Amino acid sequence: SQQGEEDPQALSIQEGENATMNCSYKTSINNLQWYRQNSGRGLVHLILIRSNEREKHSGRLRVTLDTSKKSSSLLITASRAADTASYFCATDASGGSNYKLTFGKGTLLTVNP
Amino acid sequence: SAVISQKPSRDICQRGTSLTIQCQVDSQVTMMFWYRQQPGQSLTLIATANQGSEATYESGFVIDKFPISRPNLTFSTLTVSNMSPEDSSIYLCSVEVGYGNEQFFGPGTRLTVL
Repeated sequence: SQQGEEDPQALSIQEGENATMNCSYKTSINNLQWYRQNSGRGLVHLILIRSNEREKHSGRLRVTLDTSKKSSSLLITASRAADTASYFCATDASGGSNYKLTFGKGTLLTVNP
Repeated sequence: SAVISQKPSRDICQRGTSLTIQCQVDSQVTMMFWYRQQPGQSLTLIATANQGSEATYESGFVIDKFPISRPNLTFSTLTVSNMSPEDSSIYLCSVEVGYGNEQFFGPGTRLTVL
């Protein structure tokens, strides 16, 4: 089954606006991680939220996790042109090999100056 | 976190040849991973490389095609063998650092096979 499916697939906003991306998954997880990728380069780790956490903040990032709905959201506040990138969520399945990450297809965020 | 470097950063190769990608970490880590990202796609785990044991491959990936070495706790290589244009992808290594299963990624190797 497909884990970590993001929506929307693409999002275009103006600088200064907030951007919200969502991620859904299908099986129980230990953790959910969000990553950023600029123009097909390496992934930058943004934040990890554990299954027993509901919300986490890091700078302009706010991540929520709803395990009952098997979904997470990433909010970027006061966006900047430099935030233009693809954003991926990645989940690890609880039990067994929980280090294996399954990635969603990503959301392409474009922040227009 | 961890500082991860990969070599080469990109390469253009001919069909039928092989390319070895190196991954170096600035600290000792138990688990290293190799991922593939095909054009316009998300990441797919190829294999897990633990020092002192053979790599564990995911479904759809085999050792003959993607041999992996893990000679010590800071280094690993992935070879893409007998390449075809379908192997054109970004290949990324990652490591798990510290408590909590955070994984950090290298900058990737962009491979184009002609």
